[in-house]
Amino acid sequence: TQLLEQSPQFLSIQEGENLTVYCNSSSVFSSLQWYRQEPGEGPVLLVTVVTGGEVKKLKRLTFQFGDARKDSSLHITAAQPGDTGLYLCAGPTTDSWGKFQFGAGTQVVVTP
Amino acid sequence: KAGVTQTPRYLIKTRGQQVTLSCSPISGHRSVSWYQQTPGQGLQFLFEYFSETQRNKGNFPGRFSGRQFSNSRSEMNVSTLELGDSALYLCASRGQAGYNEQFFGPGTRLTVL
Repeated sequence: TQLLEQSPQFLSIQEGENLTVYCNSSSVFSSLQWYRQEPGEGPVLLVTVVTGGEVKKLKRLTFQFGDARKDSSLHITAAQPGDTGLYLCAGPTTDSWGKFQFGAGTQVVVTP
Repeated sequence: KAGVTQTPRYLIKTRGQQVTLSCSPISGHRSVSWYQQTPGQGLQFLFEYFSETQRNKGNFPGRFSGRQFSNSRSEMNVSTLELGDSALYLCASRGQAGYNEQFFGPGTRLTVL
């Protein structure tokens, strides 16, 4: 089973601070997706990383895919209260097309 | 392009009843997956349908079933509801272009009393 481990589980910071969320696996993934989910809503896709070593930027969010495609990180610069949410990483499994593995998520709370 | 829609958004049932949830994928997407999300277990994969056929199945009891119609809309059914079935049920659709990404609907919050 290709497990995805996210750390930390919970992060509480003040507005303006930076934060980093990690997604690690012992298995290789062909791609990894990052989602943000707000309470009572479905996860919203933020980005997909595909190439080992890839860095993608989305405004204040920077996503990195490890060289070996086994890990990924999400860095938020100057966090804002609107960044509050559950951040999930996910990747397609190799044992069955169309099946995805999700991390347990990192709950981020940004207070004004 | 309209996103994934799920109905109903909220549902309250009692133990022993059955429930049917509906999902309409993004236009042109033929793959629909269902997930159960609870605070303790996170997102757990239920099953995936592609072109009206169940292609993948997670580790859930037979009380959980689904189907997909020719227009790619999908339904999920849970029979003989148990208290532990209370959860947010999410549907995700996936197209054949792009990077194999899933797009989620808003979910159906099911409460079993």
